[in-house]
Amino acid sequence: ILNVEQSPQSLHVQEGDSTNFTCSFPSSNFYALHWYRWETAKSPEALFVMTLNGDEKKKGRISATLNTKEGYSYLYIKGSQPEDSATYLCASLFGNEKLTFGTGTRLTIIP
Amino acid sequence: DSGVTQTPKHLITATGQRVTLRCSPRSGDLSVYWYQQSLDQGLQFLIQYYNGEERAKGNILERFSAQQFPDLHSELNLSSLELGDSALYFCASSSLTSLNNEQFFGPGTRLTVL
Repeated sequence: ILNVEQSPQSLHVQEGDSTNFTCSFPSSNFYALHWYRWETAKSPEALFVMTLNGDEKKKGRISATLNTKEGYSYLYIKGSQPEDSATYLCASLFGNEKLTFGTGTRLTIIP
Repeated sequence: DSGVTQTPKHLITATGQRVTLRCSPRSGDLSVYWYQQSLDQGLQFLIQYYNGEERAKGNILERFSAQQFPDLHSELNLSSLELGDSALYFCASSSLTSLNNEQFFGPGTRLTVL
């Protein structure tokens, strides 16, 4: 069983503060790591796809890093805004065939 | 709006029945992916088609099958339905074949099995 774990499960952050959360995955046979943003009543929206150890990607105030040797990725949000409230999902691709999702981190921004 | 469409939006049916969910990918995308989101299991990858051919298989039950047609739309067939099949079924598309590419998700079909 290939487990992808995300922590914390949920998070409340004051507007304007920065935050980060973790996605952990087995490092063997790793192929790629996806991050998605999923707002309530909408469909998941792709944020990043990362493949190389040490990769860092950025989209506006959101950035992500990848460590394939130790099997983790961090997602950072700088200066949180109410519109950042969503569930953030990561998914790891093993052997280019099996995409396994974590259960997500539910982020709530408090105005 | 991702450009991926799914029909129907909601479907209510009884145990033992068979249903078909439909997905139209974004214009130009050749890959279609199916996912199941249930309360107890999170988002599960079911199957991928690329240009009409099955490309990758995830946790898809034998009672479920899918196909992609020449116009690139895809259908997911669920048969001998059980209560546990109640879930949100998403379709996603991408332009390339590999699962390490950005995917665009449709709005989902919510299936309720009574």
